[in-house]
Amino acid sequence: ETGVTQSPTHLIKTRGQQVTLRCSSQSGHNTVSWYQQALGQGPQFIFQYYREEENGRGNFPPRFSGLQFPNYSSELNVNALELDDSALYLCASSPPVPNYGYTFGSGTRLTVV
Amino acid sequence: AQSVSQHNHHVILSEAASLELGCNYSYGGTVNLFWYVQYPGQHLQLLLKYFSGDPLVKGIKGFEAEFIKSKFSFNLRKPSVQWSDTAEYFCAVNRAGGSYIPTFGRGTSLIVHP
Repeated sequence: ETGVTQSPTHLIKTRGQQVTLRCSSQSGHNTVSWYQQALGQGPQFIFQYYREEENGRGNFPPRFSGLQFPNYSSELNVNALELDDSALYLCASSPPVPNYGYTFGSGTRLTVV
Repeated sequence: AQSVSQHNHHVILSEAASLELGCNYSYGGTVNLFWYVQYPGQHLQLLLKYFSGDPLVKGIKGFEAEFIKSKFSFNLRKPSVQWSDTAEYFCAVNRAGGSYIPTFGRGTSLIVHP
């Protein structure tokens, strides 16, 4: 098992810029979910992708968008960055049989200045 | 929508002390429950999970959790903690038969003194 890998590990952006975060799912996993974890908080669900389609979305504005590719890897894009977007962004993959728990990556630490 | 409450945000214990971390959820239907752990500098890892059957679930590293449906609770326990248990602990719940997308609590920071 290769696990879930995320890139980059750390990123500093200026308010108003755009950012793209990347995630490679664990081998055999076809579903990818993205979470935002602010300091001192639990992960907040952003959206999930299954078979390249968005399969659920949390309470995040449209400037948070994503993609899933045929190899099940995924991207999270955030436009018009705001200071409050500073957080750890977590990617999690899960297998075709649901509910066996998610495998998380180590996250991308985004700082918006 | 379901929500998860973790009552203790910070817990400090000495080695060999017993641990119980509270978790309550709000959802009237059938749920699946999880505890995740995040060791310093590491990614979130699944500690244990409950789908159905015996409400007392045993996980890795000597942890266990008990599902009490009438109390909407899924508390995490360990009889004797070790320094290496220092970590953030997150309770999560999803709706059985739904989208299976888990909702997380805000976490409990556990510090174990040697």
